[in-house]
Amino acid sequence: GAGVSQTPSNKVTEKGKYVELRCDPISGHTALYWYRQSLGQGPEFLIYFQGTGAADDSGLPNDRFFAVRPEGSVSTLKIQRTERGDSAVYLCASSLKGRNDNEQFFGPGTRLTVL
Amino acid sequence: DAKTTQPPSMDCAEGRAANLPCNHSTISGNEYVYWYRQIHSQGPQYIIHGLKNNETNEMASLIITEDRKSSTLILPHATLRDTAVYYCIVRVLRSNDYKLSFGAGTTVTVRA
Repeated sequence: GAGVSQTPSNKVTEKGKYVELRCDPISGHTALYWYRQSLGQGPEFLIYFQGTGAADDSGLPNDRFFAVRPEGSVSTLKIQRTERGDSAVYLCASSLKGRNDNEQFFGPGTRLTVL
Repeated sequence: DAKTTQPPSMDCAEGRAANLPCNHSTISGNEYVYWYRQIHSQGPQYIIHGLKNNETNEMASLIITEDRKSSTLILPHATLRDTAVYYCIVRVLRSNDYKLSFGAGTTVTVRA
């Protein structure tokens, strides 16, 4: 079956611009996660959705970052006034229920480059 | 604070077993050991997890020491496609725990 998909695969933008990154989770998965991975490091948690609501957004670095999941399926990570330090691979994952799930299924990521 | 310690890199020969160590000396009684791997340009992929018994699945085996302070992931017959970064993660499997806390992992290179 289809896995988690993310678009675009690559995004190059200029400092100060606004970007949106999209995640399509596995159908039927109620839990959705965003992580950010800087070069040479492991992924870092950003935000977790259970259904339509953000159950935990404690990993978002500042208020320039925002994510939505209006219908409980597709999610969009939004970054305002991008900075060079935002350059990273943004990973999305989904799981069946969230809590007590053993496995999170990851997408291939969106590589964001801020010039 | 890092909950796990892994060697930064290791090589292994194709067709041989690859033994990946992980130290988790501060692990709590209700924390599980999880392994994920990340092949270049892909997202992480779940491999296996365990609490205190050894576990085996179609991908790998997980050996956890009796005191649970360390574990070893075993890839029984490594192939070139097993070249990846392998992450050892400790995690409580409970209702309000869902984050995966990745460290830097071990970069495993399988050589022909």
